[in-house]
Amino acid sequence: AQKVTQAQTEISVVEKEDVTLDCVYETRDTTYYLFWYKQPPSGELVFLIRRNSFDEQNEISGRYSWNFQKSTSSFNFTITASQVVDSAVYFCALSEAPDNNAGNMLTFGGGTRLMVKP
Amino acid sequence: DSGVTQTPKHLITATGQRVTLRCSPRSGDLSVYWYQQSLDQGLQFLIQYYNGEERAKGNILERFSAQQFPDLHSELNLSSLELGDSALYFCASSVAGTVRETQYFGPGTRLLVL
Repeated sequence: AQKVTQAQTEISVVEKEDVTLDCVYETRDTTYYLFWYKQPPSGELVFLIRRNSFDEQNEISGRYSWNFQKSTSSFNFTITASQVVDSAVYFCALSEAPDNNAGNMLTFGGGTRLMVKP
Repeated sequence: DSGVTQTPKHLITATGQRVTLRCSPRSGDLSVYWYQQSLDQGLQFLIQYYNGEERAKGNILERFSAQQFPDLHSELNLSSLELGDSALYFCASSVAGTVRETQYFGPGTRLLVL
């Protein structure tokens, strides 16, 4: 079975600081997909990014950037110049097909709660 | 707004009761997933349907069942409820239910079992 670890359970920063959320995964698959989701205090899960295992280029979207390193099985997420609105729980997830099954499921990490103080 | 709708938003019930959670996928999506988010277990996959057929099953309890109807909406039935079933239940959808696709999540149904 696959596994996703987010070692940081909670991070607190002051507005405008940069912050990196760590994600480490385990999989036996050679082709796989990684995701980040944001869960604001309102509770919904908001999709942020999808990355496939054969594209190791880093990605930037505004203040958000992602660093995928296959060699260390990591897919880290950096928020530059954090804002209070970034306060949320962030989940890293790995897409897999369950054993002996044609379907698909997401395996989530435990999440990192980010608190950005003004 | 992801386009996935879930009803009801909140549900309070008693132990031993049965409830039904409803989900409508995004327009054009054929696959529906159910996840449970609880404090002790985190976010866990329950079950996936594709075009009315069960496609994948996770750690779903025998007391729980689901189905996807011809109009593609899905229902998750939880019976003989226990205190530990209190959780946030999410529905997600994707186009064809494959590993490469993004799953888009609904706002969730918050279930409280008293």
